[in-house]
Formats: sequence, C-alpha cells, structure tokens
Amino acid sequence: SQTIHQWPATLVQPVGSPLSLECTVEGTSNPNLYWYRQAAGRGLQLLFYSVGIGQISSEVPQNLSASRPQDRQFILSSKKLLLSDSGFYLCASNIAGGQFFGPGTRLTVL
Amino acid sequence: DAKTTQPNSMESNEEEPVHLPCNHSTISGTDYIHWYRQLPSQGPEYVIHGLTSNVNNRMASLAIAEDRKSSTLILHRATLRDAAVYYCILRDRDYGGSQGNLIFGKGTKLSVKP
Repeated sequence: SQTIHQWPATLVQPVGSPLSLECTVEGTSNPNLYWYRQAAGRGLQLLFYSVGIGQISSEVPQNLSASRPQDRQFILSSKKLLLSDSGFYLCASNIAGGQFFGPGTRLTVL
Repeated sequence: DAKTTQPNSMESNEEEPVHLPCNHSTISGTDYIHWYRQLPSQGPEYVIHGLTSNVNNRMASLAIAEDRKSSTLILHRATLRDAAVYYCILRDRDYGGSQGNLIFGKGTKLSVKP
C-alpha cells in the first residue's frame, strides 16, 4: 500500500524567510504528484502537479515553486515567504480511482 | 471540471444513517463522481467513487441518480469519528496531469451528536 511522508508537520516562519517542504512517496512508482494548499476556513487549492522527474506544472502563479528531483520526491519551496502563504500544505499522489493524501504541513507565517 | 452543489452543513445523531446529497447537473458522460472527507487537521481521505451504478464499500454507499445529475453518499451508521467535511467531486476519467486533478469545493460539514 502507498504511504506519503511530509515534513515538517508544523512550521512557524517569519515573513521574508525561505521555505522548503518535502514530500516522499512509498509503495508506488512513477506517480503523479500534487501540492495543495488549504487556507483557514477554505477549500483545497491545487498549487503544482508533476507527472515525472523534472516535470512541474503550476496551477496558480505565486511566489512558490516546486521541484521533483527524484521519482518519489516532491519539494515545495519559496525564496521569501508572505503572510498569505500561511496554510495547510498537502502532498498527494494518484491512486486507482482517486488521490491519496499525505498528513500535511501546517505553516504559519508571522 | 463540472461543478457540484452541496449543503454547507448537516447534523446527525450517532448510530443513525446519514444521507449527504450532491447535485451535479452539468456532469459529462466521462465524469466519475468522487467523495472525499477531511477530518479536522488532517488531509482528505478517499471515501468512494462511481460512474453510473450504485457502489458500496466498507466506509459508505454511493447512490447515483439514473440521470446522473445528483448523487447521495450514505453512511449507514454514523459514529463520532465520521464528523468531518465531506466533498463531492467530479473527475474526468483521464487521471493524468491536470485533467485528473481534484477540484475541491467547500463541501458539507457533518456534525454527529452522541
């Protein structure tokens, strides 16, 4: 069965600082991978998706970027965080019939 | 993706059945109906999906209208652990890349009373 690891689980960062969130997937190969963000009281917003190593598609232009250096590794980054970047960040991979989500990282930007 | 309409919130009593409705009047012939739920402070969890026929699994049942313009997620005996936001999502059968993405609306917040 598939497992998704995300770290850190929680993070508090000052405005203007860099960000790196990591997602790794086990139990599958060549998955489609997704980064979502959920702001407080709102639905999930797709940020990036990747169909393979080095292949990144952005759904929403913003100060975030994503990279996929390995088949089962997906990284979300920022050079300078904004207050509006606060939220719950979720990594997901495709499974038969749907998507499987990781436990998420709760980011607070102060 | 076609849009779905769900009630903002519903309440249920523990150990009673719950019927969560979803309208999707603009569904296309290749759209699957997916249901996910999200417990507080957790990522979404797949519940069930179907195309035309009613579906059952260990978590729930999915009843799909004959014209496919609406569906109902059925929890046969609600427990306190079923309190969550339930999302009804249409997803094209092409799972790859952006076309396979899930578009989450606001969902239905289900409260379960003991």
